[in-house]
Amino acid sequence: DVKVTQSSRYLVKRTGEKVFLECVQDMDHENMFWYRQDPGLGLRLIYFSYDVKMKEKGDIPEGYSVSREKKERFSLILESASTNQTSMYLCASSLNQGYSNQPQHFGDGTRLSIL
Amino acid sequence: AQSVSQHNHHVILSEAASLELGCNYSYGGTVNLFWYVQYPGQHLQLLLKYFSGDPLVKGIKGFEAEFIKSKFSFNLRKPSVQWSDTAEYFCAVNAHNAGNMLTFGGGTRLMVKP
Repeated sequence: DVKVTQSSRYLVKRTGEKVFLECVQDMDHENMFWYRQDPGLGLRLIYFSYDVKMKEKGDIPEGYSVSREKKERFSLILESASTNQTSMYLCASSLNQGYSNQPQHFGDGTRLSIL
Repeated sequence: AQSVSQHNHHVILSEAASLELGCNYSYGGTVNLFWYVQYPGQHLQLLLKYFSGDPLVKGIKGFEAEFIKSKFSFNLRKPSVQWSDTAEYFCAVNAHNAGNMLTFGGGTRLMVKP
């Protein structure tokens, strides 16, 4: 069974801090994704990566960056945290076999509060 | 860019009632369609998926969904809900020209009263 592990379940940080959210998957998936989940807005894609050191912007990349130095690990970075980045952050991974129909597998989420 | 609409944000049902959750998308080309479920305190799980073939797709826990291409819809159904179906349900669409990217609807929060 695929396991996607996010390093923290709950995190509280202060405005202006640099925040790192870590995600690790154990199934050798090529694709990894970061979403934020807000009530009524569903999941919105921040960034995704289809290979080591490769990244693509999603729908709402402003204020975020990502790092993928190893295949199994995908980090989301809030360069200077702001209160409007308080949210639930979800990491996901999927296979890339040349088809676009592979389901994504999700971690438990990190609930981040910026004070 | 494609968009996904889930018209019901909150649904409250009694046990044994029938369920239908609406999902409409805006992309005109070939799509893959998914329903995910998030039970309280748990991660998102795949409920069912449509790639091609029979437009009526059966998933886990008695759920099914019907792809109606002419209506750009992929509604989720269950004939008789249980209290354990209380969860948030997300419809998601992957357009074939979007690689592996999914676009999610806003979610529907279902509460089933015992």
